[in-house]
Amino acid sequence: EPEVTQTPSHQVTQMGQEVILRCVPISNHLYFYWYRQILGQKVEFLVSFYNNEISEKSEIFDDQFSVERPDGSNFTLKIRSTKLEDSAMYFCASGGPLHFGNGTRLTVT
Amino acid sequence: QKEVEQDPGPLSVPEGAIVSLNCTYSNSAFQYFMWYRQYSRKGPELLMYTYSSGNKEDGRFTAQVDKSSKYISLFIRDSQPSDSATYLCAMNMPGAGGTSYGKLTFGQGTILTVHP
Repeated sequence: EPEVTQTPSHQVTQMGQEVILRCVPISNHLYFYWYRQILGQKVEFLVSFYNNEISEKSEIFDDQFSVERPDGSNFTLKIRSTKLEDSAMYFCASGGPLHFGNGTRLTVT
Repeated sequence: QKEVEQDPGPLSVPEGAIVSLNCTYSNSAFQYFMWYRQYSRKGPELLMYTYSSGNKEDGRFTAQVDKSSKYISLFIRDSQPSDSATYLCAMNMPGAGGTSYGKLTFGQGTILTVHP
């Protein structure tokens, strides 16, 4: 069964550094998403992406965040200058209904 | 009032029990309702997806939606230790854009343990 794959599974970075989280959505899906789950909290919508542009973003998705589909298969989330509060699981999803990847655990120290 | 409320549990049941998981919501604009299962350190896995009020069955799982009461349920029959996970309800209110189908609002999740 096709699946959404995310790399790396765990990323540790220092505050202020840039990170790029990578995702390969299911190949025939057209809609892509990033979600975040802070430890012990709800899964939260960050951004949706279609036809090479952002469709919708939440209040969390400020100027420090950006998304890109650099080629026909990858979908990335960049955090420009990480903060301690960015520590969370980041999930990529595609389709509708959504299929999620296993996430990248981001730890900002 | 939170948009989606879900009892976080934890819920512990013996193997073979019937499990009932519930969510309430406040926004009547929600139209599609989903249940996801999340194992530790994994992503949410879609279990059930439904639109209309009523019941939808898939194997041991039954999803129930009552839009008039703003209440959804997931029933698990003959529960197994492998069902031990966190169960998340999620819902959306599709608008004009296609990507709005994937803008989900999640509940807190209910931690379920099925012991042999």
